[in-house]
Amino acid sequence: KNEVEQSPQNLTAQEGEFITINCSYSVGISALHWLQQHPGGGIVSLFMLSSGKKKHGRLIATINIQEKHSSLHITASHPRDSAVYICADLTGNQFYFGTGTSLTVIP
Amino acid sequence: DAGVIQSPRHEVTEMGQEVTLRCKPISGHNSLFWYRQTMMRGLELLIYFNNNVPIDDSGMPEDRFSAKMPNASFSTLKIQPSEPRDSAVYFCASSLFGGLGNEQFFGPGTRLTVL
Repeated sequence: KNEVEQSPQNLTAQEGEFITINCSYSVGISALHWLQQHPGGGIVSLFMLSSGKKKHGRLIATINIQEKHSSLHITASHPRDSAVYICADLTGNQFYFGTGTSLTVIP
Repeated sequence: DAGVIQSPRHEVTEMGQEVTLRCKPISGHNSLFWYRQTMMRGLELLIYFNNNVPIDDSGMPEDRFSAKMPNASFSTLKIQPSEPRDSAVYFCASSLFGGLGNEQFFGPGTRLTVL
């Protein structure tokens, strides 16, 4: 069974801080998916990556296949980044989801 | 584009009733996905379609659940009979390219409550 673990579970940061959310998985993957779920419930796909690093605006996602680990970084955090961030390991024809990291950015 | 459209947005029903959730993917997208989210189990992929054909339904919890995609612009997820443990938010998503490894666009979700 593929275990996907995220840390921390909850995170509070001051506006402007650099934020890191971690995701570890136990089985080899095809790709790692990062999702953002807004307080209203809407879900946005942020990144799908299978190697290296991807960047979009202030968001950066990295993955280390050997260590079975991925990180999501947010630079210059803003209150609008407050959301739940979920990673999902794509293995075969299934997604194995982490339980999410709840981020609150305080002005 | 209007994005992925789901209906209804909220559904309250009684145990034993049939429930049908509807999804209209983004025009031109080739893949459609149904997810369920609960507090206990988090997000789960139920089933996905490529070019209207079901590819993997291993996430469908029981025979009470069925999904169809009669054409490229419409899909349904049916629960019959519904049970209180089916209460969840059901999301539909679509992607331009086939398979699970591409960017997905999510609908707003349908919040289902089974009493």
